[in-house]
Amino acid sequence: GESVGLHLPTLSVQEGDNSIINCAYSNSASDYFIWYKQESGKGPQFIIDIRSNMDKRQGQRVTVLLNKTVKHLSLQIAATQPGDSAVYFCAETISGGYNKLIFGAGTRLAVHP
Amino acid sequence: GAVVSQHPSWVICKSGTSVKIECRSLDFQATTMFWYRQFPKQSLMLMATSNEGSKATYEQGVEKDKFLINHASLTLSTLTVTSAHPEDSSFYICSARDQTAMNTEAFFGQGTRLTVV
Repeated sequence: GESVGLHLPTLSVQEGDNSIINCAYSNSASDYFIWYKQESGKGPQFIIDIRSNMDKRQGQRVTVLLNKTVKHLSLQIAATQPGDSAVYFCAETISGGYNKLIFGAGTRLAVHP
Repeated sequence: GAVVSQHPSWVICKSGTSVKIECRSLDFQATTMFWYRQFPKQSLMLMATSNEGSKATYEQGVEKDKFLINHASLTLSTLTVTSAHPEDSSFYICSARDQTAMNTEAFFGQGTRLTVV
């Protein structure tokens, strides 16, 4: 199957700090990218998306940056809270149809009080 | 937002038996649904793409005769794990996209924890 089956790296941050989670995607033809949050025992939850014609998009407390040159995505979470503790995945796809969504390796975010 | 419901949320079965997992889009129609498998501390691995009214498309390395997919309607896809073995124990997750709204994110079910004993 696709995606990378590696054990998840962990990012530990203090409550109130900003978090930056990085992701490398694989397909240069991908033009739509999504960040998901997954809590233990649950399905992924949509956070924010970005299309390839943009390099930055902001949501509430979250910002996604896209660098197509090096096929890199980042998710920035401002003022990280304990409730942000989860595993974060980036996902890529080619829009314009029902093309499959491929997930990156994921990062576990641990927020400490 | 759109809701995708998976059932059951967890199941324990004996080795050699078959287990069916249902994935329903509750408030939208989904021509295509996707099935993923996730092992502990790993990412979601796409298993297959389920197409309404036609055969599923399986990813490389996924046995189509072991993981039977049926997409009988625009709101329901099922995954049957046949002759399950302990190595099939995993977290299975389905997702769907709203066919009337192109280029939207995929909505995910809550997942099914399968344990084969």
